[in-house]
Amino acid sequence: DQQVKQNSPSLSVQEGRISILNCDYTNSMFDYFLWYKKYPAEGPTFLISISSIKDKNEDGRFTVFLNKSAKHLSLHIVPSQPGDSAVYFCAATNAGKSTFGDGTTLTVKP
Amino acid sequence: GAGVSQSPRYKVTKRGQDVALRCDPISGHVSLYWYRQALGQGPEFLTYFNYEAQQDKSGLPNDRFSAERPEGSISTLTIQRTEQRDSAMYRCASSIRWGTQYFGPGTRLTVL
Repeated sequence: DQQVKQNSPSLSVQEGRISILNCDYTNSMFDYFLWYKKYPAEGPTFLISISSIKDKNEDGRFTVFLNKSAKHLSLHIVPSQPGDSAVYFCAATNAGKSTFGDGTTLTVKP
Repeated sequence: GAGVSQSPRYKVTKRGQDVALRCDPISGHVSLYWYRQALGQGPEFLTYFNYEAQQDKSGLPNDRFSAERPEGSISTLTIQRTEQRDSAMYRCASSIRWGTQYFGPGTRLTVL
């Protein structure tokens, strides 16, 4: 029973276009949501987060949207750059405990 | 400043042996987390500490797994009587408190 799901294992986007990564969750008790980025042979690094009381958070080229009624969040990257190519993990937290999705591999083609 | 460090980076052991994996968090970080990550999957929660107190160990698979953080800084994850199914990447993360988690590079454990 996976509480956080990233249904697209991979995504390929042209440089300059928008990348949209999606994440669905089932536990309504989650109070904080985060996106992490991971390069090969490295640990995940924090990218952007959003509290459950908000519906949007923006940081430069990265925007996270939260739809609580649909239990869905998404990460928008615009414009996408080749250096954005990595695995992106969605995570949700409740009382300090984090649950991660299985990741989406983003490839940005020059 | 220094990030989260883990040692060893790679560990190969024989089935039945005990292993101890070490995590050195970012200085001043209150919370410390242990995860296990299988290939192609996201990190799977094992346990976490605030200071030296273990707050949640619900993710530890069985009683062969234990963790401690006796002085509220360095933590050790111990796996006793290792089995082949224990082979995975073990990741540690630390945070100020329930905040953004900063991950270490992980320890790749292989049980033969």
